[in-house]
Amino acid sequence: NAGVTQTPKFQVLKTGQSMTLQCAQDMNHEYMSWYRQDPGMGLRLIHYSVGAGITDQGEVPNGYNVSRSTTEDFPLRLLSAAPSQTSVYFCASSYSKTRGVNYGYTFGSGTRLTVV
Amino acid sequence: SQQGEEDPQALSIQEGENATMNCSYKTSINNLQWYRQNSGRGLVHLILIRSNEREKHSGRLRVTLDTSKKSSSLLITASRAADTASYFCATEEGEFGQGTRLTINP
Repeated sequence: NAGVTQTPKFQVLKTGQSMTLQCAQDMNHEYMSWYRQDPGMGLRLIHYSVGAGITDQGEVPNGYNVSRSTTEDFPLRLLSAAPSQTSVYFCASSYSKTRGVNYGYTFGSGTRLTVV
Repeated sequence: SQQGEEDPQALSIQEGENATMNCSYKTSINNLQWYRQNSGRGLVHLILIRSNEREKHSGRLRVTLDTSKKSSSLLITASRAADTASYFCATEEGEFGQGTRLTINP
């Protein structure tokens, strides 16, 4: 049981490049989400999904796109990378159809992204 | 906006001592969750306390919840070097605080 798998673990991008951060879970969790973690800022929610075909914006969605074509996968796309998007990105999932009720979140190990 | 706010931001204690971290939140909740993050790793779920519970234990962890004050505390007893990590509280809406960075000195 792998849990939540994120790839890649590290990435360096040039300003203006695009890329996709992958997230997959094998726990049949309904809810999936993306966070970014910056020093002194805690975790900020980027986008989330309560089920396949359903996505919504979180606190800091600008510059990012998501889709949820399957229950297992929830990729995060950076459309045109900017230095302000340098951060550590975490994918999280939860069993519940609503956010985290009853069971809590399972996190991936993170993707450290640097935009130069 | 951050729903959970931890206090203190950093805490350094000697091995064997108890560590207490506090969390405040802003809205009504169904449950509050605590997580640990080791350096360079993802967050790991530690314990969940429901709104109708006042205290919950799990091993060396004790969590309290005061819904009237919208606050929670996490107590780690008999701390160990391996407890060195950042600790976060979170609402069930997935809103996390900035965390408390705990250092256990041998």
